[in-house]
Amino acid sequence: QKEVEQDPGPLSVPEGAIVSLNCTYSNSAFQYFMWYRQYSRKGPELLMYTYSSGNKEDGRFTAQVDKSSKYISLFIRDSQPSDSATYLCAIRPTNYNFGNEKLTFGTGTRLTIIP
Amino acid sequence: DTGVSQDPRHKITKRGQNVTFRCDPISEHNRLYWYRQTLGQGPEFLTYFQNEAQLEKSRLLSDRFSAERPKGSFSTLEIQRTEQGDSAMYLCASSEYLAQANEKLFFGSGTQLSVL
Repeated sequence: QKEVEQDPGPLSVPEGAIVSLNCTYSNSAFQYFMWYRQYSRKGPELLMYTYSSGNKEDGRFTAQVDKSSKYISLFIRDSQPSDSATYLCAIRPTNYNFGNEKLTFGTGTRLTIIP
Repeated sequence: DTGVSQDPRHKITKRGQNVTFRCDPISEHNRLYWYRQTLGQGPEFLTYFQNEAQLEKSRLLSDRFSAERPKGSFSTLEIQRTEQGDSAMYLCASSEYLAQANEKLFFGSGTQLSVL
């Protein structure tokens, strides 16, 4: 079983729609959760960062974490064509020992917003 | 502050050749990471440095791969005797590590390697 599972899509929605992107993870030791956006031929760009269960909002983006279900989500409201990109979830454990601090990424979901 | 810089952006090489990539992190970032990403997959961790010390290497990093970060500034990733399976995007990221809860990685645009 992979440590992080993410539906690769592709996902196409009309402009203005609400988008829901999801990941599940297997290890309860993972405590830090991030969402990255990656445009074609570019490096990932950090969108959201959270370490607690519940919702965190930033503009049109909301990150949701449910640690009891090991489930994380990213919602995009009023989606725009410029939101078309691959969205990657990334997680990291709580472990202060060197050697176990790396980010583990999902496979990414390719999103297209249709004008 | 111009972000994380990687050079070259693209590299085409023949199987068996050696290649070297360079990463310049955001200034004063003490941590530097190397990841590899293939088409349709998320980035996979290769190795990371805190200042000049290499703290962890993935099992993906065979003995043909070596990374250095002399003086704790820029880093180089060398692949010797390249194989077609090495074709991927090599991503560098840096962070200002003060406490684990606050560490955020900033990525460069990557070096796309094609091994013919």
